Amino acid sequence: QKEVEQDPGPLSVPEGAIVSLNCTYSNSAFQYFMWYRQYSRKGPELLMYTYSSGNKEDGRFTAQVDKSSKYISLFIRDSQPSDSATYLCAMINTGFQKLVFGTGTRLLVSP
Amino acid sequence: NAGVTQTPKFRVLKTGQSMTLLCAQDMNHEYMYWYRQDPGMGLRLIHYSVGEGTTAKGEVPDGYNVSRLKKQNFLLGLESAAPSQTSVYFCASSPRRVNQPQHFGDGTRLSIL
Repeated sequence: QKEVEQDPGPLSVPEGAIVSLNCTYSNSAFQYFMWYRQYSRKGPELLMYTYSSGNKEDGRFTAQVDKSSKYISLFIRDSQPSDSATYLCAMINTGFQKLVFGTGTRLLVSP
Repeated sequence: NAGVTQTPKFRVLKTGQSMTLLCAQDMNHEYMYWYRQDPGMGLRLIHYSVGEGTTAKGEVPDGYNVSRLKKQNFLLGLESAAPSQTSVYFCASSPRRVNQPQHFGDGTRLSIL
């Protein structure tokens, strides 16, 4: 069993829709959670960074962490065609430098 | 504002050839990493470095070597390339403070025939 599970998609939505992307994990030692966005033929770009449980909002993006369920989510409001990309979740153990990544969910937003 | 720069961007090798991938960062980051990304496998850590002159093995180190002679550079070497090493290689860096997110380059696409 992988430490981090993520549905590969693709997830297809119309422009303006609310998108929900999710990851589950098995290691309760994970404390720091990230979402990266990766456009085709580009490197992952940090989108959101959160610590422990709770919500964090940045513009149209909201990251949510539920440590009791070992479940993290990224919500995108008013989705745009420019949001079409692969979204990778990642997490770190406390005091540890190595990230563990999900395999990524491909999102397609159609005009 | 370069961030993390990887060279080359593309390369085709024959089985048994050797090559070196170069990563350079201008953010004065202490930690640097090499990953490979394969379909369905996600990003897997090959080697990493916590400072100039140090290196350590990651999840999939076999067939690769690395060196960190200067703080800003991290080199990944393939001594005898194999078709299984066909992949997209990403370099990343992060600050010395613990639990900091990593910043990535745009990758090197490597095909081994």
